[in-house]
Amino acid sequence: QKEVEQNSGPLSVPEGAIASLNCTYSDRGSQSFFWYRQYSGKSPELIMFIYSNGDKEDGRFTAQLNKASQYVSLLIRDSQPSDSATYLCAVGDSSASKIIFGSGTRLSIRP
Amino acid sequence: NAGVMQNPRHLVRRRGQEARLRCSPMKGHSHVYWYRQLPEEGLKFMVYLQKENIIDESGMPKERFSAEFPKEGPSILRIQQVVRGDSAAYFCASSPRGLPYNEQFFGPGTRLTVL
Repeated sequence: QKEVEQNSGPLSVPEGAIASLNCTYSDRGSQSFFWYRQYSGKSPELIMFIYSNGDKEDGRFTAQLNKASQYVSLLIRDSQPSDSATYLCAVGDSSASKIIFGSGTRLSIRP
Repeated sequence: NAGVMQNPRHLVRRRGQEARLRCSPMKGHSHVYWYRQLPEEGLKFMVYLQKENIIDESGMPKERFSAEFPKEGPSILRIQQVVRGDSAAYFCASSPRGLPYNEQFFGPGTRLTVL
C-alpha cells in the first residue's frame, strides 16, 4: 500500500514567521510531487509542484524535495492570516496512473 | 479561460435513488480524475479517465459506482442506489497530460447528501 504521511496538526505559527510543512512518502519510484491548499468547505488549489531534487521557489513559497530520504516539504515565508488552511501533500504513483494525497496538515497563522 | 466546472454544486438524494455528477474539464485538458472527500478526511482517488477510456478505476467501489468520459460532453460519475455512506464531497480534477508530470486542477466539487 503506497502511502503519503503528513502531521495532521494543527500547526500554529505567528504572523510574519516561516511555516514549515513536511511530508514523507513510501513509493521510491515517485517522480512528481505537489502541494495543494484547501480552505474549509472549498476545493484544493495547486500552489506548488516539484519534480527534481532540491529547492523550488515561487514567491513566498519554497518546495523542497529529497528523493533519497523520500521527503518533501513546503516553506511559507512571511506567513499571513490568509495562509491559514489545510495543506495537502500529493505524490505521483510510480505506476503513472494516479496521485496519492496525504491527509493534510492544518496550518493556523496567529496575528 | 474557464476552470474546471462541476454541477450540480449540491445534490440531495434519498436512499435508493441515483446520483449523477458532471465534470467539464479545463479547455485543452483531456485527462479527468474523480476524488471523494469525507468530512475531516483526505482526498481519496476514485477513477482516472481520458476521452472514451477508463485508465485506472482502482479506487472505485466495485458496485453501484461507474464513470465515463464520452467523446463529446462532460465526464459523468454515476452512483446507483445511493446509501447514507455515500454522503461526501466529490471533486473532479483535470490535467493537460498524464502522469508523471501532470498538474491537476480541481473543480469546486459536488456536495452529495443522502437522506
